[in-house]
Amino acid sequence: SQQGEEDPQALSIQEGENATMNCSYKTSINNLQWYRQNSGRGLVHLILIRSNEREKHSGRLRVTLDTSKKSSSLLITASRAADTASYFCATDVGGGADGLTFGKGTHLIIQP
Amino acid sequence: EAGVAQSPRYKIIEKRQSVAFWCNPISGHATLYWYQQILGQGPKLLIQFQNNGVVDDSQLPKDRFSAERLKGVDSTLKIQPAKLEDSAVYLCASSLAQGREQYFGPGTRLTVT
Repeated sequence: SQQGEEDPQALSIQEGENATMNCSYKTSINNLQWYRQNSGRGLVHLILIRSNEREKHSGRLRVTLDTSKKSSSLLITASRAADTASYFCATDVGGGADGLTFGKGTHLIIQP
Repeated sequence: EAGVAQSPRYKIIEKRQSVAFWCNPISGHATLYWYQQILGQGPKLLIQFQNNGVVDDSQLPKDRFSAERLKGVDSTLKIQPAKLEDSAVYLCASSLAQGREQYFGPGTRLTVT
């Protein structure tokens, strides 16, 4: 079963605009990770945020985590055509086995 | 640093045939994972190894799927016999340690006809 669910399923914006994707999950987590997938580079890790963290930044990416609402968001600022990809949130529930549970993803299209 | 290597990249087989996939993780990564990604969905964990021991195989269809990681480095995933619903991309990932970010290989796209 899928732990994380991304919203929206698809998003199309103009280059230069900001893109926000949301993720909701069901059970307590050890950490939550965001990945990007496109045909050129496969599945690439973006950010890992631990359950005791609330916000994390990496370049143009900003991730927030609200464990009380069991939700996370990924913000991409000043989008570029190269950001066109599918974005997945994935949860690690800890407890020894840390295989990730992925959502279905948000397909982001950046219009030039 | 070399990434996770997988082979073959593509495989087409008929149902009831067998197939094997190979993965070479990033050097020094103790944890190795196999995921199945069906078109339009996120990856689904099949099995996790820590060195050469199985940590989690609860979602592996053990009647037809098997995996091993001899010597704690390379790993193979086998399907025997294949079914139509096994058509998917099989992704291998490795991690330096549990609870860390995972690095994915390019995947093997399997088509079962």
